[in-house]
Amino acid sequence: EIVLTQSPGTLSLSPGERAILSCRASQSVSSSYLAWYQHKPGQAPRLLVYGASSRATGIPDRFSGSGSGTDFTLTISSLEPEDFAVYYCQQFDTSRITFGQGTRLEIK
Amino acid sequence: QVQLQESGPGLVKPSETLSLTCTVSGGSISSFYWNWIRQPPGKGLEWVGYIYDSGSTNYNPSLKSRVTISVDTSKNQFSLKLSSVTAADSAVYYCARDLAPVQHWGQGTLVTVSS
Repeated sequence: EIVLTQSPGTLSLSPGERAILSCRASQSVSSSYLAWYQHKPGQAPRLLVYGASSRATGIPDRFSGSGSGTDFTLTISSLEPEDFAVYYCQQFDTSRITFGQGTRLEIK
Repeated sequence: QVQLQESGPGLVKPSETLSLTCTVSGGSISSFYWNWIRQPPGKGLEWVGYIYDSGSTNYNPSLKSRVTISVDTSKNQFSLKLSSVTAADSAVYYCARDLAPVQHWGQGTLVTVSS
């Protein structure tokens, strides 16, 4: 089973700052099957990025994904107040889905 | 636009079976993968398992002995049964479509395991 480890666990930043979230896999992941989600309390997770670097429909261009192999990154170029949430990476491999443990992005 | 809605008891007793149903509207249940994903209080997302419309399934190895996911194409619904539950199974349970990425999600339903 592929384990996804996200870092940092919590990221404290101010609106307007740049956020860099990391997702590291225990073994190589197909970029086609690596996605990022934003999750707010009481809501369903929201797909941000799929295929490691493709923005989902309606996602602002301040969100960007990159990476390959075992190291993937979600970057938020300039934080808006509504961006403070928990972010998860997710992969699909050998008929299993796994999620990272999440990065909490909080207002500093 | 496809919509998913979870339904089922919000309270289940320990050792009993948790049963949830997901109703799909705005699209057919055929030719897609359908998941159950859960989030225990204060914890992250955990994939429970999926079913394809043909009935083929795959489950999280940590839950495999207790999980059954089934589909009823005539009702555009799929269901989750989790047996011998404990407090550790208390969570918000989401139904969702597709594998990578998971594109469509229900709003989630809270299930508490308590006597």
